[in-house]
Amino acid sequence: KAGVTQTPRYLIKTRGQQVTLSCSPISGHRSVSWYQQTPGQGLQFLFEYFSETQRNKGNFPGRFSGRQFSNSRSEMNVSTLELGDSALYLCASSLQDASNEKLFFGSGTQLSVL
Amino acid sequence: DAKTTQPPSMDCAEGRAANLPCNHSTISGNEYVYWYRQIHSQGPQYIIHGLKNNETNEMASLIITEDRKSSTLILPHATLRDTAVYYCIVRVPAAGNKLTFGGGTRVLVKP
Repeated sequence: KAGVTQTPRYLIKTRGQQVTLSCSPISGHRSVSWYQQTPGQGLQFLFEYFSETQRNKGNFPGRFSGRQFSNSRSEMNVSTLELGDSALYLCASSLQDASNEKLFFGSGTQLSVL
Repeated sequence: DAKTTQPPSMDCAEGRAANLPCNHSTISGNEYVYWYRQIHSQGPQYIIHGLKNNETNEMASLIITEDRKSSTLILPHATLRDTAVYYCIVRVPAAGNKLTFGGGTRVLVKP
């Protein structure tokens, strides 16, 4: 079974631009979560989608948004990029969102904002 | 805030067992303990999880104290490839797949 696939692997943008990151979950998984990882703040939860509905949201500004499609694939969008948005963005998937379900992470998209 | 406390770093000799402690004194009865590890610039990798009983899989063993206030992850025969940051996470049922990561323990396996 293929793992969680994130594209692109690396991305360079400039301040003020917007960016869309893509995540394909493991086949059959219906829950997709997004995390941001920076050296200063560590791993932080962005949001979670289950069956195309946002279930949970972290403490990030409205510039960060996401969606999930009927095939469970997910995208996240960051508008009006700031230098501080430079980070590794990680996607994770699971069958359900129950607390005894394992979460499987992708390799991430490394975003650099110049 | 993370509900767990871990030492920031530890060294381990190759071939020896690595015992990684984690304190979670405020854990509730229905909250699971999860362990993940992250090798540089990769996504976190699931290791093991448990509720009350000790657990073992092909990667590691998880020992949870009877009062559930602490746990230990055991890597039975550490290899150089086990060098990583190890995260102990208490998973809150109401939070769905929102995992709160702390700082983790940076484990360096030395030859």
